[in-house]
Amino acid sequence: GDSVTQMEGPVTLSEEAFLTINCTYTATGYPSLFWYVQYPGEGLQLLLKATKADDKGSNKGFEATYRKETTSFHLEKGSVQVSDSAVYFCALSEDTGFQKLVFGTGTRLLVSP
Amino acid sequence: EAQVTQNPRYLITVTGKKLTVTCSQNMNHEYMSWYRQDPGLGLRQIYYSMNVEVTDKGDVPEGYKVSRKEKRNFPLILESPSPNQTSLYFCASTPKRTGVGETQYFGPGTRLLVL
Repeated sequence: GDSVTQMEGPVTLSEEAFLTINCTYTATGYPSLFWYVQYPGEGLQLLLKATKADDKGSNKGFEATYRKETTSFHLEKGSVQVSDSAVYFCALSEDTGFQKLVFGTGTRLLVSP
Repeated sequence: EAQVTQNPRYLITVTGKKLTVTCSQNMNHEYMSWYRQDPGLGLRQIYYSMNVEVTDKGDVPEGYKVSRKEKRNFPLILESPSPNQTSLYFCASTPKRTGVGETQYFGPGTRLLVL
């Protein structure tokens, strides 16, 4: 079945550091790929997405590129802020006629001043 | 404001006492889902609904029931809760597919503790 693997956290960075959170996937078809973010005490919200190979999703300074050849969708940001501290989930959905997200286990990011 | 609401946000109960967690969305979305979030496991889908009166099992449906009598509401029912259902629950909704990669909109979560 489909699956998503994320790097384990927590990832601890100082403000203005470069961020990479690795995500790889296994899917039978051609999935859409997502990054969702969960701030403390809140629900998940979409950060960015990409629906086909070589697409780049971007939002709030975060970027991720859909790499079909390496089945990856790594999340990057050039300069993190304390307000970026959250849990980040990589997810995929197949084009199977209904909206089911398969999530990774989540990576907690802690940014210190 | 477009949103998904869940109630209650926090619930402590005892084994075997039936409970319902409500979910409502005001975006006229066709698709709705329930997920549970557990440490080290991410989010896993419990049930989903493609429209009124159309529901189906997700990956972890055991011990749960759902109903979809109205488009906006999708309650999650635990007929006889057990401690292994202690978890953080999220409801989500999605508009009808116009193409791949539709965004899911999540509620704020319901934290359930079953003693």
